[in-house]
Amino acid sequence: QVQLVQSGAEVKKPGASVKVSCQASGYTFTSYGITWVRQAPGQGLEWMGWISAYKGNTNYAQKVQDRVSLTTDTSTSTAYMELRSLRSDDTAVYYCARLKVDPHYSGNGYLYSYYFDYWGQGTLVTVSS
Amino acid sequence: EIVLTQSPGTLSLSPGERATLSCRASQSVTSTYLAWYQQKPGQAPRLLIYGASSRATGIPDRFSGSGSGTDFTLTISRLEPEDFAVYYCQLYHSSPTWTFGQGTKVEIK
Repeated sequence: QVQLVQSGAEVKKPGASVKVSCQASGYTFTSYGITWVRQAPGQGLEWMGWISAYKGNTNYAQKVQDRVSLTTDTSTSTAYMELRSLRSDDTAVYYCARLKVDPHYSGNGYLYSYYFDYWGQGTLVTVSS
Repeated sequence: EIVLTQSPGTLSLSPGERATLSCRASQSVTSTYLAWYQQKPGQAPRLLIYGASSRATGIPDRFSGSGSGTDFTLTISRLEPEDFAVYYCQLYHSSPTWTFGQGTKVEIK
């Protein structure tokens, strides 16, 4: 069965960095992308970035693109999210999720769906002085 | 940037009732790019619907999705006690990037 297991909760001071891991199992790691989504306390979901586990290509949300780095280690099927220059408003639960790309053939060719089919359990990152 | 607006913010219903949740995009989108998720307190989101109308594996058939263009709907035909949760719509854009709606909370009346 597919599982994404994330590292434990972190408490950081403003200006510090945090690195959250997401270890995948139950599927071929390099066949799917990994995305990261965060949720501030009592708030909605915010997409942060995507990485191709096959090629390492990335794309980041504009809001965090200057401070976030996504990487993978294919030898351990693990994805990492590093966020730098932490601020109090970075306090949130951070989720990794597997990206499923689903082709369907229509009369005029293929259409694709892109969605997050499996999620990690979440990692709480608290930024406080 | 395309914005997704969900309504209502909160839906108060009783078990057995029908729930209709709306997700409106600020411009026309490809329906295959629209998904719905359910989130319960303290849990990660769970995929319900992808491609606007396809149920994910293991999702009961009381959940259905529909819509096209700018207007999409998630319908729960008869609410079960475990369906009271927050629901999010999500849109894929090229690049790739994704946007979530702000969520609709379905609460027990």
